[in-house]
Amino acid sequence: QKEVEQDPGPLSVPEGAIVSLNCTYSNSAFQYFMWYRQYSRKGPELLMYTYSSGNKEDGRFTAQVDKSSKYISLFIRDSQPSDSATYLCAMSESGTSGSRLTFGEGTQLTVNP
Amino acid sequence: KAGVTQTPRYLIKTRGQQVTLSCSPISGHRSVSWYQQTPGQGLQFLFEYFSETQRNKGNFPGRFSGRQFSNSRSEMNVSTLELGDSALYLCASSLGLRSNEPQHFGDGTRLSIL
Repeated sequence: QKEVEQDPGPLSVPEGAIVSLNCTYSNSAFQYFMWYRQYSRKGPELLMYTYSSGNKEDGRFTAQVDKSSKYISLFIRDSQPSDSATYLCAMSESGTSGSRLTFGEGTQLTVNP
Repeated sequence: KAGVTQTPRYLIKTRGQQVTLSCSPISGHRSVSWYQQTPGQGLQFLFEYFSETQRNKGNFPGRFSGRQFSNSRSEMNVSTLELGDSALYLCASSLGLRSNEPQHFGDGTRLSIL
C-alpha cells in the first residue's frame, strides 16, 4: 500500500467551477503538507505549504488538512483554463527526514472554457 | 531571482553507459534534493545534499550517486544505465536551515535510455 493515495483522474470541469482535489495518507509521522502544480514539460511549482490542521487560503486556492482523518484537500475557486495541469500532493516528516518529500501520483485537471 | 536550473534538459543514452546531470539551486539555497519522476512510480526521492554532505537518502541502488560543491551546485550520476532509468530527473532546492522548508523545483532533465 502506498503511503500517499491520490486519485489520478483525469478530472474535467467547466470554467468557473469549484475544484476539489484530495489525498489520503497512512503515515502518522507526516507533519508538513504541500500542494504542487505541474504543467506539461515543466517542474512542479509550489502552490501551498501547511503544517497544522485547518484551512489556509491564498487567493483562489484553499488548502485543508485533517490530521485526525489523515486527509488533505486543495480547493480551487473560479477555476480558469490556465489551471489545467497536474496537481501533486506532497508530505514530509519532522526532524532530520523532513527534506524527504513523499508524493501522491498526481491528479490531472482540465478546465474547459 | 533566478530559479533552479537543471542541465541538460534532454539526454539520450544507451544501456550500460553512465550519465551526469547538473543542478544549480536558487541563490542562497544550500540544500539540494533529487527526485525521479516516472509514469508508473510518480515522484520518488533519491537523495539530499547540504553543505557538500549527503543528509538524506532514498531507496535507490548504488548506481545512483550525487555530490555537492562548495557553491551549492549539485551533480547526480547514474552508472551502468538500464532501460528502467528512463525518467524525468528533478532537482529541488531550499535554504536548508530547517528540515521542513518548502522545496522549489527545476524543470528537470529528461533522460531516455535506448
